[in-house]
Amino acid sequence: DIVMTQSPLSLPATPGEPASISCRSSQSLLYSNGNNYLDWYLQKPGQSPQLLIYFGSNRASGVPDRFSGSGSGTDFTLKISKVEPEDVGVYYCMQALQNPLTFGGGTKVEIK
Amino acid sequence: QLQLQESGPGLVKPSETLSLTCTVSDGSISSSSYYWVWIRQPPGKGLDWVGSIYYGGNTYYNPSLKSRVTISVDTSNNQFSLSLSSVTAADTAVYYCSRRGIAARPIWGQGTLVTVSS
Repeated sequence: DIVMTQSPLSLPATPGEPASISCRSSQSLLYSNGNNYLDWYLQKPGQSPQLLIYFGSNRASGVPDRFSGSGSGTDFTLKISKVEPEDVGVYYCMQALQNPLTFGGGTKVEIK
Repeated sequence: QLQLQESGPGLVKPSETLSLTCTVSDGSISSSSYYWVWIRQPPGKGLDWVGSIYYGGNTYYNPSLKSRVTISVDTSNNQFSLSLSSVTAADTAVYYCSRRGIAARPIWGQGTLVTVSS
């Protein structure tokens, strides 16, 4: 199974300041077609997870451009260029290269 | 655009079978470009993959559930289903259905809470 490791577990963020979350996979998520099968999700309090980024760096429709995903292979990063108060919640990375699909443990972002 | 909607009983008794359906709207479940997934999230915990079903009917299940879980597709109703037998309180969770594909943006349903309790 591919193990997904996120860091940090908790991230106190300052509005207007940048923030970043790391996700590492135990195996490369890069497929032969050039796609990295890595998603980022944000689960706001009391809500379902919402897709932010897929294929490692493709921003989903309607996602503000302050969110960006980067990385390839086994190391990935989600960056928020300027944190907004509505960005609080738990962020998850997920690999979809192979079954079983696996998730990181989550990073809880709170506003300082 | 394609939407997914989970449905089924919100309360299931221990030892009984949990049955959920995911209805696919504005898209065909019969496309070979996609596969269909169930994911669950126990209250206050993280996300867990339950299983996947591919075009042609191949299925893959979470080993921790493998003996109890079945995922199937109903092409006539454009739905896919989850059946989980012999449930216990540990199966209480929000269950999400999802569409994935090798070249497609992932899509999730809103989720449905299933509580296992007598």
